[in-house]
Amino acid sequence: AQSVTQLDSHVSVSEGTPVLLRCNYSSSYSPSLFWYVQHPNKGLQLLLKYTSAATLVKGINGFEAEFKKSETSFHLTKPSAHMSDAAEYFCVVSNVGTSYGKLTFGQGTILTVHP
Amino acid sequence: EAQVTQNPRYLITVTGKKLTVTCSQNMNHEYMSWYRQDPGLGLRQIYYSMNVEVTDKGDVPEGYKVSRKEKRNFPLILESPSPNQTSLYFCASSSIAAEYYFGPGTRLTVL
Repeated sequence: AQSVTQLDSHVSVSEGTPVLLRCNYSSSYSPSLFWYVQHPNKGLQLLLKYTSAATLVKGINGFEAEFKKSETSFHLTKPSAHMSDAAEYFCVVSNVGTSYGKLTFGQGTILTVHP
Repeated sequence: EAQVTQNPRYLITVTGKKLTVTCSQNMNHEYMSWYRQDPGLGLRQIYYSMNVEVTDKGDVPEGYKVSRKEKRNFPLILESPSPNQTSLYFCASSSIAAEYYFGPGTRLTVL
């Protein structure tokens, strides 16, 4: 069984300040973890992925995430928010192996960026 | 260009009228899957497929059918749609241990 919990449904930051979106997961096997972003009325775009290589993963647009097995966390960070970062973010878990096709999404975190 | 396509993009139908939403990918991916997105519930997996003729239920399979007769196609079938299936639907594909590519979405309204 696998599950994902995004700890904040809404996060609000000012432009130029750091962003932290929190994600905890549970998985019976070695997980693959992803962060996707969805801008209003758009599809899903991959920000970054962890698949058992380096624990600190760098993604697009200055985002990065750190896989912490002991804490079962995969938090998403960005040093300085931009207005264009305003969107909904999803943490996603899958298992490497025969059940790789089964994806579980978190509930999503809506990021608001104030000028 | 690598992509996942879905058709139609928008559909309004009535209760009980069978419909099919098509999904196709051009990346020779083994894995394909369907999701529905509802406000406050995020995305939930309906069905997934590990390869041709191999499918399995996701978290919310009731009222849906799928088939995987060709590697590139994975249609979603609603044999008797009901209003609670009004939602935004996404198809996705992937090769193992790689990222998932998502289609643009199909907005379905069942009256």
